[in-house]
Amino acid sequence: DTEVTQTPKHLVMGMTNKKSLKCEQHMGHRAMYWYKQKAKKPPELMFVYSYEKLSINESVPSRFSPECPNSSLLNLHLHALQPEDSALYLCASSQGNWYRDSSDTQYFGPGTRLTVL
Amino acid sequence: SQQGEEDPQALSIQEGENATMNCSYKTSINNLQWYRQNSGRGLVHLILIRSNEREKHSGRLRVTLDTSKKSSSLLITASRAADTASYFCATGANSKLTFGKGITLSVRP
Repeated sequence: DTEVTQTPKHLVMGMTNKKSLKCEQHMGHRAMYWYKQKAKKPPELMFVYSYEKLSINESVPSRFSPECPNSSLLNLHLHALQPEDSALYLCASSQGNWYRDSSDTQYFGPGTRLTVL
Repeated sequence: SQQGEEDPQALSIQEGENATMNCSYKTSINNLQWYRQNSGRGLVHLILIRSNEREKHSGRLRVTLDTSKKSSSLLITASRAADTASYFCATGANSKLTFGKGITLSVRP
C-alpha cells in the first residue's frame, strides 16, 4: 500500500469553528508532514513529525495545532481560522531516519481543500 | 522560503516533442527531487538525484545535477498530453524539502 489518504476532501468552515484534518498512511513511514498550498504557488511546509515527535514547526500560527496519535496517523486541528487560511492542505510521509538527514522521497495525499468564510 | 527557482515558468509544446525544465538553487543540498502536480491534486514524486550524482534516468525522464552551478534540469522525452501538469523541483536538506515556484507544462495534442 503506497497511498496517503486525507479526509475530508473539502471543508468549509466559519472563523469561529473548530475542525480537524486527518491524514493516514500504512507504508511504515516514520516521518509525516503538513503543507499549505495556495493557488498557483508551491507547497509551503508547516510541520514535520519524526517518530511521532514534532521536529519542525515553520513558525505556524497557533490556530493550527498538529497531532500525531501514532505512527500511521497525523491530524491538523483548526481553530479560529482567517479567510486567508483558505488553501489546499497537503499531507505527506516519508521513510524517515532518526540518525541522519532524512530529506528523502515524500508521498503526498490528495489534499483537503479548505475554505474559511 | 523558496530554495529552487524553475525556468521557464510556463512551457507549451506539441505532443511528441521534448520538454526541458531547469531549476536553480542557492544553498547546499543532500538531494534534488522533481514532483508533478495535476490541477488541484496531490504531488507525485518523479525522480530523486543525490548530490554526488550527475545524471539519472527513469523511463522518459532524464535529470541532471550540477552542484558547482547549483542547477538541475529535467528532460521529458516524447511528451504526451497526459504530461500536462505543474512541475516542481524540491531541494532536500535538513530533513525537509523546499519547493521551487513551479513550471506549468502544457502539451498540445
